[in-house]
Amino acid sequence: DGGITQSPKYLFRKEGQNVTLSCEQNLNHDAMYWYRQDPGQGLRLIYYSQIVNDFQKGDIAEGYSVSREKKESFPLTVTSAQKNPTAFYLCASSWGTGSYEQYFGPGTRLTVT
Amino acid sequence: DAKTTQPNSMESNEEEPVHLPCNHSTISGTDYIHWYRQLPSQGPEYVIHGLTSNVNNRMASLAIAEDRKSSTLILHRATLRDAAVYYCILRDGFGNEKLTFGTGTRLTIIP
Repeated sequence: DGGITQSPKYLFRKEGQNVTLSCEQNLNHDAMYWYRQDPGQGLRLIYYSQIVNDFQKGDIAEGYSVSREKKESFPLTVTSAQKNPTAFYLCASSWGTGSYEQYFGPGTRLTVT
Repeated sequence: DAKTTQPNSMESNEEEPVHLPCNHSTISGTDYIHWYRQLPSQGPEYVIHGLTSNVNNRMASLAIAEDRKSSTLILHRATLRDAAVYYCILRDGFGNEKLTFGTGTRLTIIP
């Protein structure tokens, strides 16, 4: 089945540690995205990538880093510089820009204590 | 970015139609109107999108006002599985990557 997978579903880390969230898609989509969602809030864009080896900052990129070495993979690293890392992280992909819809993964809930 | 305004919550009876409104008075000519929905603890799911004309798909219908300053998502026969938060989003058709999510409308379906 085609889709987007994110792992793990739940992740716990100590403050001061970097953590990498996985996102893989087998939809052959060019564009991939990372969003953050806090309780009771909508989604906010962290980073996006339109093609391999290229990515752009979204609205809240500080404290995060990404890479796009393969078309199907777009991992997100939450660094120790991110002041409030505890959140629900969602990865998405789409055929391209503009009107195309985005397909979302199931999300990773990160808790940092 | 052009913004959207939606009611915080709505209720509807099961098996009845549901009309979810969205106001977007500052919409530009190149903005598409997208609707997504999100079930608890899951990623959002695409529902429908349109530019000027009304649109229908297997999930819902989208009615767009003639001046495009408002739109309505129509679920023709609500089921319990339609209980979710529904987001109305404007997306620039010229490649702006932002999907700017507001807080959406929490739809409750009453059995």
